[in-house]
Amino acid sequence: AQSVTQPDARVTVSEGASLQLRCKYSYSATPYLFWYVQYPRQGLQMLLKYYSGDPVVQGVNGFEAEFSKSDSSFHLRKASVHWSDSAVYFCAVSAGGGSGNKLIFGTGTLLSVKP
Amino acid sequence: GALVYQYPRRTICKSGTSMRMECQAVGFQATSVAWYRQSPQKTFELIALSTVNSAIKYEQNFTQEKFPISHPNLSFSSMTVLNAYLEDRGLYLCGARDWLGGRPGQLYFGEGSKLTVL
Repeated sequence: AQSVTQPDARVTVSEGASLQLRCKYSYSATPYLFWYVQYPRQGLQMLLKYYSGDPVVQGVNGFEAEFSKSDSSFHLRKASVHWSDSAVYFCAVSAGGGSGNKLIFGTGTLLSVKP
Repeated sequence: GALVYQYPRRTICKSGTSMRMECQAVGFQATSVAWYRQSPQKTFELIALSTVNSAIKYEQNFTQEKFPISHPNLSFSSMTVLNAYLEDRGLYLCGARDWLGGRPGQLYFGEGSKLTVL
């Protein structure tokens, strides 16, 4: 069965520091991978996606993620975080089905950026 | 651009009553709509996947009898939580897919309908 693991429930970094949020997936075929962000009291916004090709994908607001097939990972990175990046980040994998709409989400990582 | 609107944004209902939520796609055709629930302190669980002109597929632990869904056209879907109890509280998200523009799995999400059950 498909699954997504985000091992860090909470990450705290100082403003201006670099960031990596970890994501490991389990999927038998080539996965479609996503990172979503949920700001307080809001829904989900997609940061970036990976379908194929270059394993490093660029997203919005300076975020990027790197797909590793050997490691089954899709870690999210940012070179310099801002206080407004404080939110919950969800990694997701698209799992099978004809429509491909079945997204499996990880448990999320709460990012707190200290001023 | 593609947008998804959900309403109501928040509802408080008494235990045992029902709550209907709606999802409107603007700027694209919502061929498929996925309904998710985020319970307090948890991740997003898929409730059901609805594709126009196909049967609605419910995930394990979710039933049509409890969460009836309507998806009558390419811009609108609704879901009702029947006989809501405390365990049904949470944020309900609608994610809609543009068949022409999106690859599998690319969903546009609304901001959610938050259900509080007293």
